[in-house]
Amino acid sequence: QKEVEQNSGPLSVPEGAIASLNCTYSDRGSQSFFWYRQYSGKSPELIMFIYSNGDKEDGRFTAQLNKASQYVSLLIRDSQPSDSATYLCAIKTSYDKVIFGPGTSLSVIP
Amino acid sequence: SQTIHQWPATLVQPVGSPLSLECTVEGTSNPNLYWYRQAAGRGLQLLFYSVGIGQISSEVPQNLSASRPQDRQFILSSKKLLLSDSGFYLCAWTLDTNQPQHFGDGTRLSIL
Repeated sequence: QKEVEQNSGPLSVPEGAIASLNCTYSDRGSQSFFWYRQYSGKSPELIMFIYSNGDKEDGRFTAQLNKASQYVSLLIRDSQPSDSATYLCAIKTSYDKVIFGPGTSLSVIP
Repeated sequence: SQTIHQWPATLVQPVGSPLSLECTVEGTSNPNLYWYRQAAGRGLQLLFYSVGIGQISSEVPQNLSASRPQDRQFILSSKKLLLSDSGFYLCAWTLDTNQPQHFGDGTRLSIL
């Protein structure tokens, strides 16, 4: 089992819809969870981070963490074409390493 | 505020040539520093990380090396590049592994 898994996509959603991106992890003791957005040819940029179970909202973005089920999600409300990018999940494990998932490609269709 | 600089932005090198990529961080002290490589359409591969001057941890055995001669400077080197060294090289920093990493703009390296 890979340490951090994401569906590679592409995930296609119509403009204005909610995009749901999921990430599962294997280390039950993982402590910190990060979501990055990476446009084609650019470096990753931080969107959100979450440490505790539950939801954390920032504008159109909501991160959801469920440690018991070992998944973290990112919801993008009112998706815009400018949200089209690859979304990387990163997790700090119990052995103090940050592991990046392979990323999910999101395409928002006008 | 903190900023991270990487250069050059793009580089085209022949097989067998040496390499030196530089990364500097401004506005903070004693950061953790990281070098990643991203092959086309792939995820991030951690190459090296450093928690202090002269302290380098290697994650993947290969023909690359890293050095940290100053607190906020991280250098990626190779004596002889291979075709497989092509990719997008990213430097990142954080003050604490519980905090997010912040990335530089990257160097796109093409080996001919």
